[in-house]
This record gives sequence, structure tokens and C-alpha cells, in this order.
Amino acid sequence: ETGVTQTPRHLVMGMTNKKSLKCEQHLGHNAMYWYKQSAKKPLELMFVYNFKEQTENNSVPSRFSPECPNSSHLFLHLHTLQPEDSALYLCASSQESTGFGYGYTFGSGTRLTVV
Amino acid sequence: AQSVAQPEDQVNVAEGNPLTVKCTYSVSGNPYLFWYVQYPNRGLQFLLKYITGDNLVKGSYGFEAEFNKSQTSFHLKKPSALVSDSALYFCAVRDFGSGNTGKLIFGQGTTLQVKP
Repeated sequence: ETGVTQTPRHLVMGMTNKKSLKCEQHLGHNAMYWYKQSAKKPLELMFVYNFKEQTENNSVPSRFSPECPNSSHLFLHLHTLQPEDSALYLCASSQESTGFGYGYTFGSGTRLTVV
Repeated sequence: AQSVAQPEDQVNVAEGNPLTVKCTYSVSGNPYLFWYVQYPNRGLQFLLKYITGDNLVKGSYGFEAEFNKSQTSFHLKKPSALVSDSALYFCAVRDFGSGNTGKLIFGQGTTLQVKP
């Protein structure tokens, strides 16, 4: 375990369903991230939260809705997804307040399949 | 904007041989560089980083990386490859162009295949 936990590990959903991905970290980090990893494509940064405030939205479609109720938890709410949204969704956290010499700690990801 | 490139989609090496996975970067200012490894169906794991100091950085699992400012490169190396090193490797650079976030920009990844 890395200290960043993602649930569920696998999710299959229909295009009309609503589901949520959860990410939890107990590392005391103050920044959290959602990344999308598709086959044969680079990692795509989706959202950034810094001290619970969203600081970046990388032109992500509105069918993805993030929520960060506190510095330890991050959610990604999904609705009316498309098959091309099938991917591995990775959550990461980092400690930003003491400088940028730190990398990220990643969770194991949620493998999402949209049918 | 900062960027990082990994010119090889895949690197094949025999077990026991030295390995190199290449990475070049483009930054304004001093680079903060990282290497991560990803095993199948897992998240990325931190291997090593260069912030300042010695150009040769040592990391986890016997890996090291050499920072070369004149060539803007940060190649990952290991003197003797193991079959268990087979995985997907990502190079990353800090992007300071977005205020206080300092997000990581990742390369496209290089698959390392070590054959027995």
C-alpha cells in the first residue's frame, strides 16, 4: 500500500448509469489529482485540488464531476459516460506547501469499463 | 511550458545486461525531474528524482539516472537488468507555469522488456 487508496478497483457501468470513484490518502498531503490513463496514450491530467480548492480543470467533459470535501478525500462522479471513457483512472497526492521537490504518491487506480 | 519526451516506445534487453531508458526535457529555469515505474494494473511508483546537486541520482531497485544539462536529458539506467524490471517507465518534469500547483508533466512512457 502506498498510502493512497482508490475504490473500487474495477468498475463496469452502462452509459446511462451514475457512479463515483473514491480516493483517500492518509499521508497528510494537501494536493490531490485525478489522471486518466488510456491504452497507447500519455497520462492525462484531469483535475487538480490544492487545499481542497480546484486549481485546474484540463478541459474535462462535464460528465466527469470532481469533489474534494477535505484534503484527505477526493471523488470523481461519473454520469452518462461514453465507451471511449473506458480507462484506468489514477488518483495521486502530494505535499505542495513545503516546495516542489516532492513527487506524487499514486493509488493503484480504478479500471473503468463503459458498456 | 515544460515538456518531457521519451523517444522509445519499447526497450528490449537481456537479463544481466545494462539498460537505459531515455528521457529529454524542455523547461524554462531549473528542472525538477522524476522517474516512475508502473507494473500491470497498478499505479505509478516513485523511483528517483533530480532537484539539485550531483548529476548522478540513485533510486529504488538499483536504478539510477544521469542529469545532463547540456543535452537536456535525464536517462534512467541500471547496470544489470532483471526480468522483474519489466514494466512501463515514465519520466516527468515539474511544470511551474500554473501558479502554486507545480503539477507533474509525464512523458508518454517506455515499456521495458527484459528477457531471460
